[in-house]
Amino acid sequence: DIVMTQSPDSLAVSLGERATINCKSSQSVLSSFNNKNYFAWYQQKPGQPPKLLIYWASTRESGVPDRFSGSGSGTDFTLTISSLQAEDVAVYYCQQYYRTPTFGGGTKVEIK
Amino acid sequence: QVQLQESGPGLVKPSETLSLTCTVSGVSISSYYWAWIRQPAGKGLEWIGRVSKSGTTKYNPSLTSRVTMSVDTSKNQFYLKLNSLTAADTAMYYCAKGSPYEEDAFDIWGQGTVVTVSS
Repeated sequence: DIVMTQSPDSLAVSLGERATINCKSSQSVLSSFNNKNYFAWYQQKPGQPPKLLIYWASTRESGVPDRFSGSGSGTDFTLTISSLQAEDVAVYYCQQYYRTPTFGGGTKVEIK
Repeated sequence: QVQLQESGPGLVKPSETLSLTCTVSGVSISSYYWAWIRQPAGKGLEWIGRVSKSGTTKYNPSLTSRVTMSVDTSKNQFYLKLNSLTAADTAMYYCAKGSPYEEDAFDIWGQGTVVTVSS
């Protein structure tokens, strides 16, 4: 299995400030066939299912605000929320789909 | 709009078999791949497996000996069976739709159904 390790486990950010979440995979999820990273980010609010935010590491899903951005390649990836809003309080998960899908342990984002 | 709804028993006894149904509305089940994912309370997500419109399946290697997935295109439903249950199988079970661009990125999820394994 490809192991996904997220950091930090939790972070508190002031409204309007930047939040940065990291995810590291135990092996590369970059395909040499199509040069795509088989990597996604999800947001899960309390009592709700996860919501797809980003796929192919940096492509925003339709309807996702542009304050959410994904970057990285190979084994190291970052989700950035450029200006934290109250509705962004959630747990964020990374996922690889290069091999059998696996998820990171989650990062809880709160308001400072 | 596309919606998924899980259904099944909330309580199952140890060693028995869990059977869940996911009912899809708003899109033909013949168009995409469909997955089951679970989440123990307060913990992370575990992919259980996926099924295609033709019934082709792929399972998580850690569960493959206990899992069966199937699809009924006439009912626009797909199914999960998980046997030899233990307390470790207690979790929220989600069904999810594979995205148009990659079958193992999940763009629509059901609300989930809680399954408790207990005698």
